[in-house]
Amino acid sequence: NAGVTQTPKFQVLKTGQSMTLQCAQDMNHNSMYWYRQDPGMGLRLIYYSASEGTTDKGEVPNGYNVSRLNKREFSLRLESAAPSQTSVYFCASSVTGGNQPQHFGDGTRLSIL
Amino acid sequence: QQQVKQSPQSLIVQKGGIPIINCAYENTAFDYFPWYQQFPGKGPALLIAIRPDVSEKKEGRFTISFNKSAKQFSLHIMDSQPGDSATYFCAASKLTGGGNKLTFGTGTQLKVEL
Repeated sequence: NAGVTQTPKFQVLKTGQSMTLQCAQDMNHNSMYWYRQDPGMGLRLIYYSASEGTTDKGEVPNGYNVSRLNKREFSLRLESAAPSQTSVYFCASSVTGGNQPQHFGDGTRLSIL
Repeated sequence: QQQVKQSPQSLIVQKGGIPIINCAYENTAFDYFPWYQQFPGKGPALLIAIRPDVSEKKEGRFTISFNKSAKQFSLHIMDSQPGDSATYFCAASKLTGGGNKLTFGTGTQLKVEL
């Protein structure tokens, strides 16, 4: 079982460049999420998609856009990368409804110079 | 504004000891309190979770204690092992009609020494 797959695993960008982080899940989950993890700050929700065709902002959405391409895939786009967006990005998925556990990918480590 | 405060930031215990990690929350609408375990280079994984209608939940060596009036909850790891060395995150969420929006604590790095 692959679970949640994130690509790429590592990326270095220059300030102002754009990039799309990819996420796919094979667990037939309706809900998907994007988080960023920074030292001393835990994980913070960027955007989430409760179901195919819907997306909503989380705690730190500025500078990001998302696309729920289909039930399996949820991408995160940085239109004009800034050094403050250097972070580890995690995608997660869950069953919708109730308090269902979220299943995480292994992250994308993104550095912006 | 940190809605879920976690302490300590790091913790070192001897094998067999009982590390305790504490969390406090502010939003009384939260109704689900999971703990996640994260190993280096990996994503977090659900360890154990509790609802506010119970005061304690045990799963194997892991126990959550919950104090609704104090708005606090804690994780105890019985008979800790070196393999338990990881970062632990508490989290909280409230039931919504859609996705489960988790608010995480800042994490505790646990090291269990032989």
